[in-house]
Amino acid sequence: DVKVTQSSRYLVKRTGEKVFLECVQDMDHENMFWYRQDPGLGLRLIYFSYDVKMKEKGDIPEGYSVSREKKERFSLILESASTNQTSMYLCASSYTGALGNQPQHFGDGTRLSIL
Amino acid sequence: GNSVTQMEGPVTLSEEAFLTINCTYTATGYPSLFWYVQYPGEGLQLLLKATKADDKGSNKGFEATYRKETTSFHLEKGSVQVSDSAVYFCALIAGGTSYGKLTFGQGTILTVHP
Repeated sequence: DVKVTQSSRYLVKRTGEKVFLECVQDMDHENMFWYRQDPGLGLRLIYFSYDVKMKEKGDIPEGYSVSREKKERFSLILESASTNQTSMYLCASSYTGALGNQPQHFGDGTRLSIL
Repeated sequence: GNSVTQMEGPVTLSEEAFLTINCTYTATGYPSLFWYVQYPGEGLQLLLKATKADDKGSNKGFEATYRKETTSFHLEKGSVQVSDSAVYFCALIAGGTSYGKLTFGQGTILTVHP
């Protein structure tokens, strides 16, 4: 079974702090993704990565950056946390496959509160 | 562009009732279609998938058939249980998409009462 592990289930930080959310997958997947989930807005893609050191912006990258130094690890960074970044953050990974249509596998999420 | 439209929720049913959650899509090429489920306080789990027209995905008593002519992928279950209470997301990967990017519907909240 694919295991996607997010470092924290719950996290409380203060406005202006630099925040790191970590995600590790154990299936040698090429692709990794960060989403945020908010009531009424569904899931929105922040950033994704298709290889080590490679990254692409998603739909809402403002205020975030990412790092992928090793294939199994994908970090989301809030450069200067703000209250409007209070949300549930979900990490996912997937294998590319021949047709590029392999399903994503998700972690359990990190519920981040910015005070 | 690509999009997924799910029926508005929330959906409230009694145990053993029949469930249908409608999902229609717009996509370029020949998309692959997925249903994900999110139980309270957890991440998303893949429930089932279908990769070509007329394919039927099934898992845990849930089924969905890829209907190209109606661009639909409706989720059904014959007899729901209280443990099926969750949020259900329909999603697609468009044909020719790079890196398996998913397009999600808004999600449908299902509550099943004893």
